Amino acid sequence: GEDVEQSLFLSVREGDSSVINCTYTDSSSTYLYWYKQEPGAGLQLLTYIFSNMDMKQDQRLTVLLNKKDKHLSLRIADTQTGDSAIYFCAESIGNQGGKLIFGQGTELSVKP
Amino acid sequence: DVKVTQSSRYLVKRTGEKVFLECVQDMDHENMFWYRQDPGLGLRLIYFSYDVKMKEKGDIPEGYSVSREKKERFSLILESASTNQTSMYLCASSLGGALQETQYFGPGTRLLVL
Repeated sequence: GEDVEQSLFLSVREGDSSVINCTYTDSSSTYLYWYKQEPGAGLQLLTYIFSNMDMKQDQRLTVLLNKKDKHLSLRIADTQTGDSAIYFCAESIGNQGGKLIFGQGTELSVKP
Repeated sequence: DVKVTQSSRYLVKRTGEKVFLECVQDMDHENMFWYRQDPGLGLRLIYFSYDVKMKEKGDIPEGYSVSREKKERFSLILESASTNQTSMYLCASSLGGALQETQYFGPGTRLLVL
C-alpha cells in the first residue's frame, strides 16, 4: 500500500539551513505537501508542489522533488528558533475522496 | 481564509462514556476528514466524507463512527470511550474535485480518557 517515510528528528543551529527529507511510494500522486505543526496546534499548510515540477521556491523554503527516486525534500534557509516544530510530508493518492497519506513527522529543533 | 473549527481544545472523559467531537468548516468544502495523532505514528485517518450523509472508513475506524448531516459539519463519535482512545484528534477539510486535494486543518482536540 501507500507509504510515506520521514526521519523523526533533526537538530540544527540558528542561522543554518535545515533539510527535511521524505520518501513516498505512490507514483501517481498529483501533489506533494509540506505541513508544519507547532506545539499544541493543528497542521498548517506550508507549501506544496505539483508532481510535474522539480523545484519550488517560496521565500526561505525550497522544495525539491525527485520523481524517479520518489524523494521529496524541504530546505529552510537561515533557520530561526520560530521554525522549531514538527514537519509533515504528505502525498495525494489520486481519486480516493481526496485522501492524503502523511509521514510520521520530523521534529525540527533549532538551537540558538 | 479557510477556517476549520473544533468544538473543544481539551476534553476529559471517563471510560465507557459516549463522546462527540464536532468540526465545522466555513468554506463550502466537499471533503472532510478525521485523524488521530499519536507520537511516532504521525496522522492516521479514522473516517472521511466526500458529501453530505456520505462516509468512508479510513485506516483505523474501529471504535469510532461519524455523522455528516450538513455540509459544513462533520462529527466524530466515540460510542464507548476507552483509554486507548486518548489522543489528539484533528479535523480537516478540502474543496474536493480534480486537483483540489489540499487539506486545511482545525486546531485539534486533545482527548484524555480516564
